[in-house]
Amino acid sequence: QKEVEQDPGPLSVPEGAIVSLNCTYSNSAFQYFMWYRQYSRKGPELLMYTYSSGNKEDGRFTAQVDKSSKYISLFIRDSQPSDSATYLCAIIQGAQKLVFGQGTRLTINP
Amino acid sequence: DTEVTQTPKHLVMGMTNKKSLKCEQHMGHRAMYWYKQKAKKPPELMFVYSYEKLSINESVPSRFSPECPNSSLLNLHLHALQPEDSALYLCASSHQGGNEQFFGPGTRLTVL
Repeated sequence: QKEVEQDPGPLSVPEGAIVSLNCTYSNSAFQYFMWYRQYSRKGPELLMYTYSSGNKEDGRFTAQVDKSSKYISLFIRDSQPSDSATYLCAIIQGAQKLVFGQGTRLTINP
Repeated sequence: DTEVTQTPKHLVMGMTNKKSLKCEQHMGHRAMYWYKQKAKKPPELMFVYSYEKLSINESVPSRFSPECPNSSLLNLHLHALQPEDSALYLCASSHQGGNEQFFGPGTRLTVL
């Protein structure tokens, strides 16, 4: 079983829609969860970083961790065409090893 | 300065060549990383340096040789690569013990 699993999509939504991106993870000991955004032919950009359970909000982005179901989510409100990118969830395994999900390719249509 | 820079942006090399990838950060981070990313796949960890010492090697073939000359610089020396080594090579850095890793733009490597 992979440490973290993510539906690769692709996902296509109209501009202004609320986007929900999700991942599941295998080990209940994982404590640190990240979301990265990667534009085509660029390096990943850290969007959100959460520790343990709960919600974290930053502008139009909300990250949510549900440790009881081992589920992590990223919500994007009022989605914009500039949000079109691949979104990667990630966990920290052991010390410093970042393990990524497969990435979901998102397109926001004007 | 909150940037990780990588040079070159693109590199094409033959299987007998020797080349090096370079990474630099000026955020005062003491941990630096090399990742490899194949097309339509997530990044995969190759090496971790902590305080200029190699702390993690993810069983990477010896044709990849990392080097950390000082706390701001990270190199990846390449020798006798195979075509399947063609990928985007990403450098990242973080505070020692920190979980937030910041990535550079990557070097797109093509091995002929």
